[in-house]
Amino acid sequence: GAVVSQHPSWVICKSGTSVKIECRSLDFQATTMFWYRQFPKQSLMLMATSNEGSKATYEQGVEKDKFLINHASLTLSTLTVTSAHPEDSSFYICSALKGTGYQPQHFGDGTRLSIL
Amino acid sequence: GQQLNQSPQSMFIQEGEDVSMNCTSSSIFNTWLWYKQDPGEGPVLLIALYKAGELTSNGRLTAQFGITRKDSFLNISASIPSDVGIYFCAGQLHPTQEVDNRKLIWGLGTSLAVNP
Repeated sequence: GAVVSQHPSWVICKSGTSVKIECRSLDFQATTMFWYRQFPKQSLMLMATSNEGSKATYEQGVEKDKFLINHASLTLSTLTVTSAHPEDSSFYICSALKGTGYQPQHFGDGTRLSIL
Repeated sequence: GQQLNQSPQSMFIQEGEDVSMNCTSSSIFNTWLWYKQDPGEGPVLLIALYKAGELTSNGRLTAQFGITRKDSFLNISASIPSDVGIYFCAGQLHPTQEVDNRKLIWGLGTSLAVNP
């Protein structure tokens, strides 16, 4: 199998709070994980590529100081939304690559983030 | 960013009918993937295609990697109510100095509704 667990599934917090989202590969090691953002009725938008043991690679327009990514082990990547504001409210999804080469990404169940 | 041309955008069909959707691109892809996303959840991999001309089935689902490597289709036979959801195509480009082939290029999705 290729199970990816994402936590929490839903979080509501006040503006100015920092929120951490965890992405774990449960039954495989993932040197590469990805973080996406998805708005209602839209496709997935890649935010950054998370590489185990090195800095994340951010897509153009994504603020790296706003969205902190840490990939300290082969089974865990975290995304921290710092000083979150209402415009950061969205559905955040992680995925993990099992192995190398041309392998499909396996996705977590997403985190619904609502900033009041 | 780059996106795949996915059609149709939405479909409303009767239970038992067959469904067909496709994705096209002006670029050559090395892999084509088809995912299904239910509301509030992450995408789930349905079929992965790795070779031009490849035809692969997964139960009632059949997908093909176009011979030109620029398109793919997904067919669902004898649809049932649980087929409801959004179907996304995604592909990995041939790697170059400018292209990180680990990343997925996404279609905008096909929303499928099934009338029991």
